[in-house]
Parts: sequence; structure tokens; C-alpha cells
Amino acid sequence: AQSVTQLDSHVSVSEGTPVLLRCNYSSSYSPSLFWYVQHPNKGLQLLLKYTSAATLVKGINGFEAEFKKSETSFHLTKPSAHMSDAAEYFCVVSLIQRAQKLVFGQGTRLTINP
Amino acid sequence: ETGVTQTPRHLVMGMTNKKSLKCEQHLGHNAMYWYKQSAKKPLELMFVYSLEERVENNSVPSRFSPECPNSSHLFLHLHTLQPEDSALYLCASSQVSGGGGETQYFGPGTRLLVL
Repeated sequence: AQSVTQLDSHVSVSEGTPVLLRCNYSSSYSPSLFWYVQHPNKGLQLLLKYTSAATLVKGINGFEAEFKKSETSFHLTKPSAHMSDAAEYFCVVSLIQRAQKLVFGQGTRLTINP
Repeated sequence: ETGVTQTPRHLVMGMTNKKSLKCEQHLGHNAMYWYKQSAKKPLELMFVYSLEERVENNSVPSRFSPECPNSSHLFLHLHTLQPEDSALYLCASSQVSGGGGETQYFGPGTRLLVL
């Protein structure tokens, strides 16, 4: 069965420092993986996705993630945090059935300190 | 309007009320989804409609009843809810082609409080 584990429920960094949000997945086949972001009182917005092309995926707002099959990881990084990055981040794996079924991690709340 | 819209944005209802949540997608997609987001729990998939046919019902109680009259509209009918049903209900849509990796686009959600 497919599953996703986000290793940190809360990450706090200072503005201008790097961001690392960790995600491990479990899948019986080559998965599609996503990172979504949710700002307070808003819906979810796609940051980036991996679909078996390049293992280093670049997304919006300077975020990127690297798919590492040997480590079953898909960590999200950003070189320099901005105050507007404060939000909840979800790592997601896709099941391909008659319609696409997404399995969400529990989320990581990112706090940016001035 | 663009993207995925949901109405109402906030809803307070008693346990004996009947209400409906509405979702509309303006993206020409062929699949629509209902999710439940509760505090301290991962997003839970509730229902999936593909080409207006329900293809997933994730063991959701019968007090939640979905309806998909066409590919652009999705409803969630609510009746005799319980306080534990209070949550953010998110709608999403995607264009499913069978190859996987399609992006789901989410609406802003309806914040539901059951008293």
C-alpha cells in the first residue's frame, strides 16, 4: 500500500536561511509525488510534482525537491526562507486507479522567524 | 471565475439540519473530489467522481451524500451530522488521462461547524 510520512510536524527557521522539509514514501511501484502548500484559511496549492522524469524537480517560489529512490525520500528544500513561506506543507503520493487517488502526509507547519 | 470555487465558505449547522456544500470547477476537468480536513489529521479522501460516475467512496457515513450532476459541479449533501464532522471540506478537480501524475486543483474549502 502507498503511504507518506512527513518526519517533522513543525519546522522553524529564520528568514534568509535554508528550508528542509522531509518526506519519506512507501510505494509498490514507481509513484507520482507532489508537494502542496496551504496558507491559513486557504485551499491547497501545488508547489511541485515528480512523475518519473528528472529526479530534481523545481517548483514555484524557489522550492525544489529531489526524488531519491534508494532512500524512498522526496524532501522539499529552499535556499533562503521568506516570511511569506510560513504555511502548512503536505507531501503527497498518487495512486493510479480509475481516477487519481492522493494519499496525504500529516503535514509540516513551517514557521519563519524574522 | 477561474479555478475551483466552493460555497459557502463558512457554515454553522445544528445536528438536525440539512444543508448542501457546492463546488464548481472552471477548468474543463473530468474528475472531481471531496476531501475532509480535520485538526491534527491528514486530509481524508471522501468521494471521487470520474466522468460523473462515483468511483470511490472511502467508507464515509451515509449522513454525507455526494451528487455530481455534470462534470463541472459537485455537491455534498449533509444531514443529521455529528459534532465530530466539524472540519474543513475541500473540493478538487483534475484531468485524468490514465497515465498518472495529474495535478489536482483545490478550492478554498468550506469551514463547517456542527453544534
